[in-house]
Amino acid sequence: EPEVTQTPSHQVTQMGQEVILRCVPISNHLYFYWYRQILGQKVEFLVSFYNNEISEKSEIFDDQFSVERPDGSNFTLKIRSTKLEDSAMYFCASSVSRDQPQHFGDGTRLSIL
Amino acid sequence: RKEVEQDPGPFNVPEGATVAFNCTYSNSASQSFFWYRQDCRKEPKLLMSVYSSGNEDGRFTAQLNRASQYISLLIRDSKLSDSATYLCVVNGRTGTASKLTFGTGTRLQVTL
Repeated sequence: EPEVTQTPSHQVTQMGQEVILRCVPISNHLYFYWYRQILGQKVEFLVSFYNNEISEKSEIFDDQFSVERPDGSNFTLKIRSTKLEDSAMYFCASSVSRDQPQHFGDGTRLSIL
Repeated sequence: RKEVEQDPGPFNVPEGATVAFNCTYSNSASQSFFWYRQDCRKEPKLLMSVYSSGNEDGRFTAQLNRASQYISLLIRDSKLSDSATYLCVVNGRTGTASKLTFGTGTRLQVTL
């Protein structure tokens, strides 16, 4: 069964550094998403991406965050200057259409020191 | 009112028991609804979509009541492997895409 893949599985970074989290969505999916989950809390929406542009972003997704689809397969989330509170599990998801279920990658655990 | 509200549990049930989870949502314009399960420190995995007519997948039955903005999940003949957190998820269509709003999850522990 096709799946969403994410790398790295764990990223440890010093506060203030830039990080790039990578995702390869399922190949025939057109809609891409990033979510995060702080330890012990619920999964939160960050951003949706369709047709090479952001469709919607949450208030969490401030100017420090950006997304890109640099080629036909990768979808990346960049955090420019990380803060301690960015420590969380980051999940990439994709879907065939906007009403169909979203399928999640196994996440990148981001630890900011 | 929370966007998606669930009883956090935990629900501790013996193997073979039937257990029901409920969820309410606040946005009446929500378009589609799902149950996902999440194992500890893992990604959410789709369990099933939820329809107004009710739908069943093996031991799992989901139901949606749009008028009451209420979603339910019934698990029959619980197995040890059903132990997980069950996430009620609502899809709000926004412009060209959608975003999922998650409940905090209901934890299920099935015991021998």
